[in-house]
Amino acid sequence: GAGVSQSPRYKVAKRGQDVALRCDPISGHVSLFWYQQALGQGPEFLTYFQNEAQLDKSGLPSDRFFAERPEGSVSTLKIQRTQQEDSAVYLCASSLAYRGQQETQYFGPGTRLLVL
Amino acid sequence: QQQVKQSPQSLIVQKGGISIINCAYENTAFDYFPWYQQFPGKGPALLIAIRPDVSEKKEGRFTISFNKSAKQFSLHIMDSQPGDSATYFCAARGRAGFQKLVFGTGTRLLVSP
Repeated sequence: GAGVSQSPRYKVAKRGQDVALRCDPISGHVSLFWYQQALGQGPEFLTYFQNEAQLDKSGLPSDRFFAERPEGSVSTLKIQRTQQEDSAVYLCASSLAYRGQQETQYFGPGTRLLVL
Repeated sequence: QQQVKQSPQSLIVQKGGISIINCAYENTAFDYFPWYQQFPGKGPALLIAIRPDVSEKKEGRFTISFNKSAKQFSLHIMDSQPGDSATYFCAARGRAGFQKLVFGTGTRLLVSP
């Protein structure tokens, strides 16, 4: 079956532009995560959804970052007024997990964002 | 604040050798420890995972050793192959209800032919 897909795969933005990154999780997966991976570093947690509910957004670095998952499936990570320090790979992951259970997180290929 | 420390940063191993990557953690609330493999341009993929109620888990050529008292765990890749050349990340997750993974900084493994 299809894995987690993300689009676009690459995005170049001028400083100050808004960008929207899309994640299509594995069908039926309840949990969805966004991570940010800087060059040469491990992924860092941004936010977590269970169905359409955003249960944890403690990793979002500023109020310029906003994520949504309105129908409990596709998710969008939006970055407003992009800054050069936002340049990174944005990874989406999904899992079957319900609250109280722990399941494997399956990652998409990521969106590489470059802010000039 | 780095909650999971990983070493070495890079590793070169000859084909057929053993690759060993180490991780240490501080937070005793962690109770699930996966290892992920990442190839360039790809997302991380789960390789093997362990819970602290066991000291070792083996899947094929990959083994996790876990030392709960020392708060350390390691990945051993036996009979390393050039196709194993990738970046490896250890991670940790807290008790059920806290779903996010905390990753180490990664180890770039190169297996020479």
